[in-house]
Amino acid sequence: QQPVQSPQAVILREGEDAVINCSSSKALYSVHWYRQKHGEAPVFLMILLKGGEQKGHDKISASFNEKKQQSSLYLTASQLSYSGTYFCGVLHFGNEKLTFGTGTRLTIIP
Amino acid sequence: NAGVTQTPKFQVLKTGQSMTLQCAQDMNHEYMSWYRQDPGMGLRLIHYSVGAGITDQGEVPNGYNVSRSTTEDFPLRLLSAAPSQTSVYFCASRRQGEGKLFFGSGTQLSVL
Repeated sequence: QQPVQSPQAVILREGEDAVINCSSSKALYSVHWYRQKHGEAPVFLMILLKGGEQKGHDKISASFNEKKQQSSLYLTASQLSYSGTYFCGVLHFGNEKLTFGTGTRLTIIP
Repeated sequence: NAGVTQTPKFQVLKTGQSMTLQCAQDMNHEYMSWYRQDPGMGLRLIHYSVGAGITDQGEVPNGYNVSRSTTEDFPLRLLSAAPSQTSVYFCASRRQGEGKLFFGSGTQLSVL
């Protein structure tokens, strides 16, 4: 069962902030975030394990609310290089298969 | 380290033909998987494996077969290609547990 991502698309001006959400109807063990540029394979950004921790990667950070089975990806002071499609992937307890959401297309304009 | 090697990069098939997409990794990862990517559908899991001799179905397994005879290789077989299987296919691997997923470069498949 795919996690639900929102929004489907975002357009930002350089320097603006964005939040991408990912939620699941089943208890989550961990959440992965990946970014994909057009014509390329997805690239790993970060993993969040249960425990509500927040992680950072440059000006991109994420949180994981295990009670709500949700994760959010925060992009602050966006740069042109942040453009791409962002995917969350989820792992559930007792299951090794990683399933992805439908993605959020982020466009940064100068 | 080559990482995850996927071949071919492009393939055109006629309806009803069969073919195998190859995937190999040199990182000794237990977990290997195949995804297909279609516009607006995200990455959908076809099949996955947690070790040699162990495979399981993902979200969209119909029309595809896999096997895992070695830790390194995880080929994906299309038994009788259909136009609905036109897609971009990605192979990916990771360590079991919370390991990050490493992707191959993808195969663009067109079925006419």
